[in-house]
Amino acid sequence: GAGVSQTPSNKVTEKGKYVELRCDPISGHTALYWYRQSLGQGPEFLIYFQGTGAADDSGLPNDRFFAVRPEGSVSTLKIQRTERGDSAVYLCASSSVGGEQFFGPGTRLTVL
Amino acid sequence: AQSVAQPEDQVNVAEGNPLTVKCTYSVSGNPYLFWYVQYPNRGLQFLLKYITGDNLVKGSYGFEAEFNKSQTSFHLKKPSALVSDSALYFCAVTLSGYSTLTFGKGTMLLVSP
Repeated sequence: GAGVSQTPSNKVTEKGKYVELRCDPISGHTALYWYRQSLGQGPEFLIYFQGTGAADDSGLPNDRFFAVRPEGSVSTLKIQRTERGDSAVYLCASSSVGGEQFFGPGTRLTVL
Repeated sequence: AQSVAQPEDQVNVAEGNPLTVKCTYSVSGNPYLFWYVQYPNRGLQFLLKYITGDNLVKGSYGFEAEFNKSQTSFHLKKPSALVSDSALYFCAVTLSGYSTLTFGKGTMLLVSP
């Protein structure tokens, strides 16, 4: 079956702009996770959804970052007033109850 | 707080030789441990996990890992390396199977022909 998909695969924007990154999880997976991977580092947790609600958003770095999952499937990560330090690969993962996380290919965000 | 250490930035091994990629962890409670592999321009792929039971866990592509509670380690191993195993390997830990993962910084494995 289809895996986790993320769009766009690459996003280049200018400092101060707003961006939206989309994640389509594996069908039937109730849990959805966002991570951020900077160059030379492992992925770092941002936010975790159980169904439509954010079960844990403790990894969001500041209030410029926000994520939604209105129907319990697709999720959108939103970044306001982007900064150069936001440049990274944003990874999405989904899992079934008690299952391992399956990752998408990521969105590479570059803030100029 | 939980953490993972991968002490080697890079591991070099000749094709056909055994390989080991090291991982140690710190967590308050019983850990769930994972290995993922990342190929260039691709997402993380799940290799194997330890939840409970037998300390030796077998996973995809001939990889295995050994959980050692006293040494808080979960080293990844393979008896005979392939050039196609060259990739970036991440160890991760969580306190339950349905929670956020804490990753190490990754180890680049280079297998030479």
